[in-house]
Amino acid sequence: DAKTTQPTSMDCAEGRAANLPCNHSTISGNEYVYWYRQIHSQGPQYIIHGLKNNETNEMASLIITEDRKSSTLILPHATLRDTAVYYCIVQFGNEKLTFGTGTRLTIIP
Amino acid sequence: GAVVSQHPSRVICKSGTSVKIECRSLDFQATTMFWYRQFPKKSLMLMATSNEGSKATYEQGVEKDKFLINHASLTLSTLTVTSAHPEDSSFYICSARTLPGTSGSTDTQYFGPGTRLTVL
Repeated sequence: DAKTTQPTSMDCAEGRAANLPCNHSTISGNEYVYWYRQIHSQGPQYIIHGLKNNETNEMASLIITEDRKSSTLILPHATLRDTAVYYCIVQFGNEKLTFGTGTRLTIIP
Repeated sequence: GAVVSQHPSRVICKSGTSVKIECRSLDFQATTMFWYRQFPKKSLMLMATSNEGSKATYEQGVEKDKFLINHASLTLSTLTVTSAHPEDSSFYICSARTLPGTSGSTDTQYFGPGTRLTVL
């Protein structure tokens, strides 16, 4: 059973903020929200993760709704190098990651 | 930090031969490593979970005698594809999980760059 729902694909103009949504309505209290991305023919790259609070690092920001049923990954200033498949994964901290189909983000010059 | 390497990056072999892929965590120790397989235009599928010093745990449908996993140290896990056939051609990716408590709020998995296996 898929724990997350993501749009299949999205486009974003270069230099603009890319906002990638993820629905996880069945998330339990101790499950984290992880975001990874996979650039073509490479291994997935860790982006960010969070439990309840919003998180920010050098790559992105993660906004988690108060009811935790959805979240948004924000890439503040998208570049062509951000073109990739983005995976939103909900798991307990010490569990194996289960990848869905993700969102194919294309940055348009 | 948190770099995972894989070797080789790509390999071509003849049908019936065995191929070994190495996965190393370069700057951290990992009690648990994972092996994934990815077919073209598909998502990653977990094959097995590898724990240092113990037997690997395989996912349903993955043949343990065909995909041999050894996790002999906290920084090295190997996957050996035995008697490879063309249908084993795929992109194999490993990941390593940081030890509990080392990444703050929870453990984090870091992935290697992948190994592309082509069996002729």
